[in-house]
Amino acid sequence: DGGITQSPKYLFRKEGQNVTLSCEQNLNHDAMYWYRQDPGQGLRLIYYSQIVNDFQKGDIAEGYSVSREKKESFPLTVTSAQKNPTAFYLCASSIDRTLPGELFFGEGSRLTVL
Amino acid sequence: AQKITQTQPGMFVQEKEAVTLDCTYDTSDQSYGLFWYKQPSSGEMIFLIYQGSYDEQNATEGRYSLNFQKARKSANLVISASQLGDSAMYFCAMREGARGYQKVTFGIGTKLQVIP
Repeated sequence: DGGITQSPKYLFRKEGQNVTLSCEQNLNHDAMYWYRQDPGQGLRLIYYSQIVNDFQKGDIAEGYSVSREKKESFPLTVTSAQKNPTAFYLCASSIDRTLPGELFFGEGSRLTVL
Repeated sequence: AQKITQTQPGMFVQEKEAVTLDCTYDTSDQSYGLFWYKQPSSGEMIFLIYQGSYDEQNATEGRYSLNFQKARKSANLVISASQLGDSAMYFCAMREGARGYQKVTFGIGTKLQVIP
């Protein structure tokens, strides 16, 4: 079945460590997004990418990095520079065609810093 | 300025009654899209309804309708005949930007609780 797969679902890390969250889609979508969700703050855009080898900073990109070497993959690295990384991370994709901008979401990755 | 404003942190509705969730937006683009998503406690995001800025009629999808008032920049979600399964977080979102550089911004959400 087509969809978006995020892994891992739960992740624990120590302070000062970098961690990479995986996001893979087999929907053949051009655009991919990373959002961070904290209680009471909704979803905030970290990075987004419209095409391979190109990506743009969202509203809260500091302390994060991404790459888009393949259409199917958009991994997010949470670096040690991110001051408060404990959150729920959602990856999404969209195809700019019949319903431009509709986002299809993965199930999320919950990161906890110990 | 906030791109998407949802002013109702929490709402209660009696089962079988209708409820309106408010959303206002801010954009200078002429072409944009407005969305509503539902997030149950399981965490998945479920697409509910879409309204394009050039659509003249309000969007409807089953029990969901979007009350689009362009001049007021509002895009309220109306849920008719509420069901217990409607209890969830609801997010309003907006797509803006030219093709090739579109981004989607979300509001902070409204928590809806349906009372039996």
